[in-house]
Amino acid sequence: GQSLEQPSEVTAVEGAIVQINCTYQTSGFYGLSWYQQHDGGAPTFLSYNALDGLEETGRFSSFLSRSDSYGYLLLQELQMKDSASYFCAVHYGQNFVFGPGTRLSVLP
Amino acid sequence: DSGVTQTPKHLITATGQRVTLRCSPRSGDLSVYWYQQSLDQGLQFLIQYYNGEERAKGNILERFSAQQFPDLHSELNLSSLELGDSALYFCASTTGVNTEAFFGQGTRLTVV
Repeated sequence: GQSLEQPSEVTAVEGAIVQINCTYQTSGFYGLSWYQQHDGGAPTFLSYNALDGLEETGRFSSFLSRSDSYGYLLLQELQMKDSASYFCAVHYGQNFVFGPGTRLSVLP
Repeated sequence: DSGVTQTPKHLITATGQRVTLRCSPRSGDLSVYWYQQSLDQGLQFLIQYYNGEERAKGNILERFSAQQFPDLHSELNLSSLELGDSALYFCASTTGVNTEAFFGQGTRLTVV
């Protein structure tokens, strides 16, 4: 089976940098992706790591280390609008299994 | 706008009833996924269809069923509803080879 763990909550101030970790126990997967979800809204895709290393997309970066069964999402220059829940997800071919999510609160 | 359409947006019904949630995937997407999200919880995978065929099943109750039609839209049927079934139900679609899933805005089901 697949099991993912994320911190339940993270708090940071505007302009800061925050890292949201995702650890997993799984028998094998194709890649790790990240989604953002504002309260009451739909999840939206942020990034995907098929290979180990860092992927950068604007203020957001994502990292994967298969040897450590670990990934993270890095958010830089935090803005109030970044307050949301963030989910990591492992890919098994065409299937996705999501982590429990991390609620990020950005304070002024 | 993700291109994925879910109807209805809101649904209030009584315990013991049956409802049908509908999802139209993005044009060209062959895969449809259904997820359940209870209040302040994560996304629980229910079931996946690819081009009309069931491909994967998650923690879907026997009271729930789904299907994907030839025009690729999908329906999730929930029967003998219980209070605990109250949740947001999301549909997502992918092309089948894409790494990104596009989610609809969800159907908020309230069972009273």
